[in-house]
Amino acid sequence: GAGVSQSPSNKVTEKGKDVELRCDPISGHTALYWYRQSLGQGLEFLIYFQGNSAPDKSGLPSDRFSAERTGGSVSTLTIQRTQQEDSAVYLCASSSMIARPGGVQFFGPGTRLTVL
Amino acid sequence: KQEVTQIPAALSVPEGENLVLNCSFTDSAIYNLQWFRQDPGKGLTSLLLIQSSQREQTSGRLNASLDKSSGRSTLYIAASQPGDSATYLCAVTYYYNQGGKLIFGQGTELSVKP
Repeated sequence: GAGVSQSPSNKVTEKGKDVELRCDPISGHTALYWYRQSLGQGLEFLIYFQGNSAPDKSGLPSDRFSAERTGGSVSTLTIQRTQQEDSAVYLCASSSMIARPGGVQFFGPGTRLTVL
Repeated sequence: KQEVTQIPAALSVPEGENLVLNCSFTDSAIYNLQWFRQDPGKGLTSLLLIQSSQREQTSGRLNASLDKSSGRSTLYIAASQPGDSATYLCAVTYYYNQGGKLIFGQGTELSVKP
């Protein structure tokens, strides 16, 4: 597609349920990033993929959070046993830069997660 | 510690005014700095990217400057328009962060009144 797409755009879930958020990066972009934007914390880095591997997972807030990327393309962020503090907008970005910082990251529209 | 601060948190100006948004960062070992725009309910759009070796970048009515030694960047918007109303975020990447993750400021919410 022309840009980064994310699904669903909105997700409402009950506390304790698992959720999966999907990101489709720009075709050919090898780098993929997940960020979280919440009222209290601003915009925070979660995890970075280069191809299918994740060299930097330092932003994942707990072991309830995991992510994978298959075929060097689509990525899924999974949150297990959701808590109310997980409520936020989850943003995905992709970049064509390989193995070094500095490339422009193109962002998707985000998934708004609400945990009741 | 990698911290990015933006001042002010919110700004309201009448149409036509020139304005300056400020960004400061605590660690000067940046690789580059980017300014983004975010509209309500939307993702982020990159406006300007300044490499650490550069002092400024310009795009249309926007001009971003970078002073690494003082840990500061400014985004100058000339002749503001109501369509400029949005949240503006600055973000830095560091040489030593593999993959170039972005460290964001909290943003400045700009409102331009007709």
